[in-house]
Amino acid sequence: ETGVTQSPTHLIKTRGQQVTLRCSSQSGHNTVSWYQQALGQGPQFIFQYYREEENGRGNFPPRFSGLQFPNYSSELNVNALELDDSALYLCASSLQQSTGELFFGEGSRLTVL
Amino acid sequence: DQQVKQNSPSLSVQEGRISILNCDYTNSMFDYFLWYKKYPAEGPTFLISISSIKDKNEDGRFTVFLNKSAKHLSLHIVPSQPGDSAVYFCAAIWSGSEKLVFGKGTKLTVNP
Repeated sequence: ETGVTQSPTHLIKTRGQQVTLRCSSQSGHNTVSWYQQALGQGPQFIFQYYREEENGRGNFPPRFSGLQFPNYSSELNVNALELDDSALYLCASSLQQSTGELFFGEGSRLTVL
Repeated sequence: DQQVKQNSPSLSVQEGRISILNCDYTNSMFDYFLWYKKYPAEGPTFLISISSIKDKNEDGRFTVFLNKSAKHLSLHIVPSQPGDSAVYFCAAIWSGSEKLVFGKGTKLTVNP
């Protein structure tokens, strides 16, 4: 059974650029959530995808968008990068439920210069 | 608006002693509470949870206590081991929500 994998693990971008982060969910899981963890903060919910549809969104602007594919893998896209977008981006997979037990990947560390 | 608060950024204990990590919440709609542990360069891993209909849940060395009237929960680790050194996040969710709300975390250091 493979766990949640994310790529890339580290990347550096400049302001105004666009970035795509990728996530493969744990085998058998049909729900993917994305979280942003800024330095010294706890993870903050960006959005969740269930069966290829967005299933809830946190307080993030529309330049944060996502996709889920038929194999339940997912992408997070961020357009027009800002310095404050520098953070660890965590992908988590689960079965569709609301008890909060998520399986996280190791994250993608994004630095915006 | 910090709905889940962990007021201690760090905690240091001796190996073999008890570690107590605290968490407060403000939203009465939360009905499920969780603790996650995070090592450097790894994602958070689920540790233990408790439903709002309970006041205690145990799993080996880990016990979570919930005081609904005080909107407070705590994680007890007994005995503490050096491998427990990590950042611990308190999190909460309400039924029907897809959004897990995290605190800022407490860094636990267990000294040999």
